Amino acid sequence: GENVEQHPSTLSVQEGDSAVIKCTYSDSASNYFPWYKQELGKGPQLIIDIRSNVGEKKDQRIAVTLNKTAKHFSLHITETQPEDSAVYFCAARIRGSTLGRLYFGRGTQLTVWP
Amino acid sequence: NAGVTQTPKFRVLKTGQSMTLLCAQDMNHEYMYWYRQDPGMGLRLIHYSVGEGTTAKGEVPDGYNVSRLKKQNFLLGLESAAPSQTSVYFCASSRGGPGQSRTDTQYFGPGTRLTVL
Repeated sequence: GENVEQHPSTLSVQEGDSAVIKCTYSDSASNYFPWYKQELGKGPQLIIDIRSNVGEKKDQRIAVTLNKTAKHFSLHITETQPEDSAVYFCAARIRGSTLGRLYFGRGTQLTVWP
Repeated sequence: NAGVTQTPKFRVLKTGQSMTLLCAQDMNHEYMYWYRQDPGMGLRLIHYSVGEGTTAKGEVPDGYNVSRLKKQNFLLGLESAAPSQTSVYFCASSRGGPGQSRTDTQYFGPGTRLTVL
């Protein structure tokens, strides 16, 4: 199966700075890479995703980049705000999977200090 | 449109007791999933369902059973709870699966925090 590694496990930034979270995956057949944000006491919520036919995707202050050759993808948050504080999970899905199963990284606790 | 809901939100069990966690979705999704979340372990798939009346094992199925009698509901059962099953349980659903392009986004419920003493 797929193995997704996520780094760092914790990240602290000053409000207004940028934050970058990186993930690597093992199966070159993976073709879908979502990012989830989990606030305290809540379920994960999809914030952005990217498919293997594109290298970068942006949505306001959030962007995701994908390097298929190196098998890694990254989440970039610019102009961070205290409300960005949460746990972020990356995930990968293998092309052709009969389930559409997602393999998750272990999460990054992001703290944005005012 | 409530999305994905889970009941109960919290539960404390004694070792050996049984219980059922209920997941409901009102988005007419075909696929449903049960995950457990433990500190430092991310989300691990317990069981899943690709449609009404069908279920299958995920990554960590031992000690759990599931049923999908209605399309909108997915039940997770613990027949004889053990302390190792202390965790936060999340249900998720998606419209379809792979090869269906934009329909594979998974939507998560708010979770059930279970403690087994």
